[in-house]
Amino acid sequence: QLQLKESGPGLVKASETLSLTCSVSGGSISTSSYYWGWIRQPPGKGLEWIGNINYSGRTYYSSSLKSRVTISVDTSKTHFSLKLTSVSAADTAVYFCARGLFSSGWYFEHWGQGQLVTVSS
Amino acid sequence: QSMLTQPPSVSGAPGQRVTISCTGSISNIAAGFDVHWYQQRPGTAPKLLIYGNNRRPSGVPDRFSGSKSATSASLAITGLLAEDEADYYCQSYDSNLTASVVFGGGTKLTVL
Repeated sequence: QLQLKESGPGLVKASETLSLTCSVSGGSISTSSYYWGWIRQPPGKGLEWIGNINYSGRTYYSSSLKSRVTISVDTSKTHFSLKLTSVSAADTAVYFCARGLFSSGWYFEHWGQGQLVTVSS
Repeated sequence: QSMLTQPPSVSGAPGQRVTISCTGSISNIAAGFDVHWYQQRPGTAPKLLIYGNNRRPSGVPDRFSGSKSATSASLAITGLLAEDEADYYCQSYDSNLTASVVFGGGTKLTVL
């Protein structure tokens, strides 16, 4: 049974870098069919896609966040990570990692439980 | 501002049928990209409900169905149950530079 679990600091200071890791168990990041993504949800608001990475490390980013985002896959292929630089209060959100498939566009079939990250001033 | 437009809320009584619309544009739904739907209960992660416009993942009841037309898509829920009360999001792919994956703003379903 595939499980995804986000981990990282729940509090980040404004202007610093947000770093989260998604641990993958019960499945392999190395499978070529899948993409691994990050999606966030500000409190009380809707979902916003951040970006995806595939098994070989090819990345796809939301153009609104592209200048501040880096998604990477660990060489052990057991987890992938998100870095978001120069954060502000607007980046306060629940951050979800997810496994995606591509068929006329991506969709996300398995999600982690989410990690609330609060940006403090 | 979402590139996919959903009504903020819908409601229905137990046993009834409700539909949730998702209106897109020339760069997403009208371009032929698939529409997918997610259910999110309070305090939980989204769950894939419909993918590829009208396909249900294993375990999703057939009370949930999806459809797509030229520039919009719809999620229909029949035989409403109290447990269906949740937020529902549509999602597609967008060919504009601003985003590749786009979500609707979400619809809150209230079971009366």
